Amino acid sequence: AQKVTQAQTEISVVEKEDVTLDCVYETRDTTYYLFWYKQPPSGELVFLIRRNSFDEQNEISGRYSWNFQKSTSSFNFTITASQVVDSAVYFCALSEADSGTYKYIFGTGTRLKVLA
Amino acid sequence: DTGVSQDPRHKITKRGQNVTFRCDPISEHNRLYWYRQTLGQGPEFLTYFQNEAQLEKSRLLSDRFSAERPKGSFSTLEIQRTEQGDSAMYLCASSLVGGDLSHGYTFGSGTRLTVV
Repeated sequence: AQKVTQAQTEISVVEKEDVTLDCVYETRDTTYYLFWYKQPPSGELVFLIRRNSFDEQNEISGRYSWNFQKSTSSFNFTITASQVVDSAVYFCALSEADSGTYKYIFGTGTRLKVLA
Repeated sequence: DTGVSQDPRHKITKRGQNVTFRCDPISEHNRLYWYRQTLGQGPEFLTYFQNEAQLEKSRLLSDRFSAERPKGSFSTLEIQRTEQGDSAMYLCASSLVGGDLSHGYTFGSGTRLTVV
């Protein structure tokens, strides 16, 4: 069965600290896609990154970096030098190619609070 | 490109009433998705359209729920005989075929339904 687990319900950090948000997934498909989305208080989900199952290369985009490890079925997200504007709920999601619809299975989200 | 628009942003209704939500996707996007998000949870897939065809419905979509996408443009989601358990944020998203894989969906800001 497909499942995404974000064990951290809420994390609070002080501005400029680094923070890592964990994501563990379960799937039987060999081809799948993993995503991170940000949901600020306004409610709109904002796309951050997509990774496919064949590409384990880690990625860095500015203060954001992602670590994808198939061996542990994890796709963790690190924010370096956090800022107050990073405060939001972050969702990890899985999409299986075999489904044909590319629907997402979301985790329950991690609420990040960055304190000034 | 004005993004994905959802109307209304908020809806309060009495139990037993019918409600209808509208989603206007990005104009060139041929795929449209509806998700439901309850408090403290990640979004859950409800249904998916490619052009005007509804290709998949979740088991979450009981017979009180119906969705349409006439002419492959805007979509409506109707809930009949609302129940308190229907209270949630209803999110619409759109994408191009193939767009799902590289850029994720574009989500709207959602319609928050409160059933009293």
